[in-house]
Amino acid sequence: AQRVTQPEKLLSVFKGAPVELKCNYSYSGSPELFWYVQYSRQRLQLLLRHISRESIKGFTADLNKGETSFHLKKPFAQEEDSAMYYCALNPSQAGTALIFGKGTTLSVSS
Amino acid sequence: DAGVTQSPTHLIKTRGQQVTLRCSPISGHKSVSWYQQVLGQGPQFIFQYYEKEERGRGNFPDRFSARQFPNYSSELNVNALLLGDSALYLCASSLTGRADTEAFFGQGTRLTVV
Repeated sequence: AQRVTQPEKLLSVFKGAPVELKCNYSYSGSPELFWYVQYSRQRLQLLLRHISRESIKGFTADLNKGETSFHLKKPFAQEEDSAMYYCALNPSQAGTALIFGKGTTLSVSS
Repeated sequence: DAGVTQSPTHLIKTRGQQVTLRCSPISGHKSVSWYQQVLGQGPQFIFQYYEKEERGRGNFPDRFSARQFPNYSSELNVNALLLGDSALYLCASSLTGRADTEAFFGQGTRLTVV
């Protein structure tokens, strides 16, 4: 079955500390993987996608097909990074349906 | 650009009733998807429409139906409401129907079934 697992419900770090939000997926083909973020009282929005291989707001994510992982990383957390982060998988080449994980709340304190 | 707009923002219905939720995509976007998000969970895919045709359907009962209009707006209908249908319903629009395209989400409609 196609599934996205985010093992941590909450991740609390101090400002300036490194951050790693874990995401593992279950899918036999070549997936399209995304990280979406929801800041307080804002709508869900795309943070980054693996196909573009870009860094957004200092965050990067590398697809590891051997470990079926797509962890989100940032070397130095900022307070404005506090938000809910969702890892999502699109298993279909023909549509835009996303399979989301349960999400991880990142809390960055000073 | 107002982004994806959903109406109403909040709704309270009684068990057994029917509900219609509405979504207007970003101008120029031809794909609309619907998601259900219950408390503490990630969004769960319900339907995708592209160019007014159904392109995908999630694991939801037949009580759930949707359609897309010529102007690309969309409606989600839920019949015979159950308490378990209480959730935030999200609409997302995309420029294309491709898998790598970015989805832009609305603020959602909060449905409470009592």
